[in-house]
Amino acid sequence: EVQLVESGGGLVQPGRSLRLSCRASGFTFGDYGMSWFRQAPGKGLEWVSFIRSKAYGGTAEYAASVEGRFSVSRDDSKSIAYLQMNSLKAEDTALYYCSRKYYDDSGSQGANWGQGTLVTVSS
Amino acid sequence: DIVMTQSPLSLPVTPGEPASISCRSSQSLLHSNEYNYLDWYLQKPGQSPQLLIYMGSDRASGVPDRFSGSGSGSDFTLKISRVEAEDVGVYYCMQTLQSPYTFGQGTKLEIK
Repeated sequence: EVQLVESGGGLVQPGRSLRLSCRASGFTFGDYGMSWFRQAPGKGLEWVSFIRSKAYGGTAEYAASVEGRFSVSRDDSKSIAYLQMNSLKAEDTALYYCSRKYYDDSGSQGANWGQGTLVTVSS
Repeated sequence: DIVMTQSPLSLPVTPGEPASISCRSSQSLLHSNEYNYLDWYLQKPGQSPQLLIYMGSDRASGVPDRFSGSGSGSDFTLKISRVEAEDVGVYYCMQTLQSPYTFGQGTKLEIK
């Protein structure tokens, strides 16, 4: 069974840092790109970042709202994706999800999402 | 950035009746490979989002066939042929043609 489990969220003061983890199981983690999304309380979904698999260069993309402050990485040996969040702002308060897309045996695309980890930025 | 606009934002539906949600993008989502890079997601209350439709019209793995996606370029539609109680939640379209990937505002479907 595929599982994505986010962790590392919590209450943090503005300007401080936090590192989120997304631990994957049930599939060959290194074969897949991983995405991070977030959802502020009572708001819609926002894409945050994407990191490609090593086969596609392992490069990353970021939303403009987090570019230069957030950094995504991966440890394929541990099946974990990380989101390093620096210089946090109140507007970064949100439930953070990790996700991966895949193709099943019939060629249909699917997506797995974790349950999210809550980040609250407040003094 | 590509701006995604959904309508309506609220959609009350009687069970068994059809429902339709529109999603428009500020620029074409049609790639040179002839695929439209448009996904539809449903977020049920208290749950993580789930993928319903990808590439504009392909039903995702395990999604009931009462859900269908159509459209091309900048104009897309998600249709539910017969709404069931379990379909309540917020529906989002999302473009994955170019970074930053962007979502529509969401359409909240509720049962009358």
